[in-house]
Amino acid sequence: EAGVVQSPRYKIIEKKQPVAFWCNPISGHNTLYWYLQNLGQGPELLIRYENEEAVDDSQLPKDRFSAERLKGVDSTLKIQPAELGDSAVYLCASSVGLAGAQETQYFGPGTRLLVL
Amino acid sequence: DQQVKQNSPSLSVQEGRISILNCDYTNSMFDYFLWYKKYPAEGPTFLISISSIKDKNEDGRFTVFLNKSAKHLSLHIVPSQPGDSAVYFCAASVLNTPLVFGKGTRLSVIA
Repeated sequence: EAGVVQSPRYKIIEKKQPVAFWCNPISGHNTLYWYLQNLGQGPELLIRYENEEAVDDSQLPKDRFSAERLKGVDSTLKIQPAELGDSAVYLCASSVGLAGAQETQYFGPGTRLLVL
Repeated sequence: DQQVKQNSPSLSVQEGRISILNCDYTNSMFDYFLWYKKYPAEGPTFLISISSIKDKNEDGRFTVFLNKSAKHLSLHIVPSQPGDSAVYFCAASVLNTPLVFGKGTRLSVIA
């Protein structure tokens, strides 16, 4: 069974440029998560989708970040414009059901973003 | 204010010995705890979990202990193997709120 797929794996951009990350969750998984992981820190939730509905986006900086999960399958996270402090690893995860944080989450390899 | 704390950034253990990774939390409402393992350039992988109604959960070489009165949990790996070398994250949740992760502990198992 294929795991969570993320692309690109690495991205280098100049500040003020836009950037987008893509995630394809495990087939059949209803819940999709985007996390931000700064160096030396644990992952922090940005947004959680149950099917195509964003049910928790309280930590998403909505002035520059946006996300979508059309048709309840794959998802895109966008930053526009990027700032130096956005340099981090962006992780996508998915889980089977709709039981929230106590479902086992399966993580993708992440996208490492460097903003110059 | 960090609700989940892993105070040891790193730990080195001889192969075959026990590895003990510690985690403290401040939110007494947390009712579910997990450990994730992360290799370089990969995403975290679920390892083991424990509900607050238990004080121990075992899965092969991995055992998690929960001390609710001390707000402390620990992960024991016996015996430790070189392939266990990774960063281990402790995470906690309450009801349907997001997982809160610690900063991680880097375990090095020396052959």
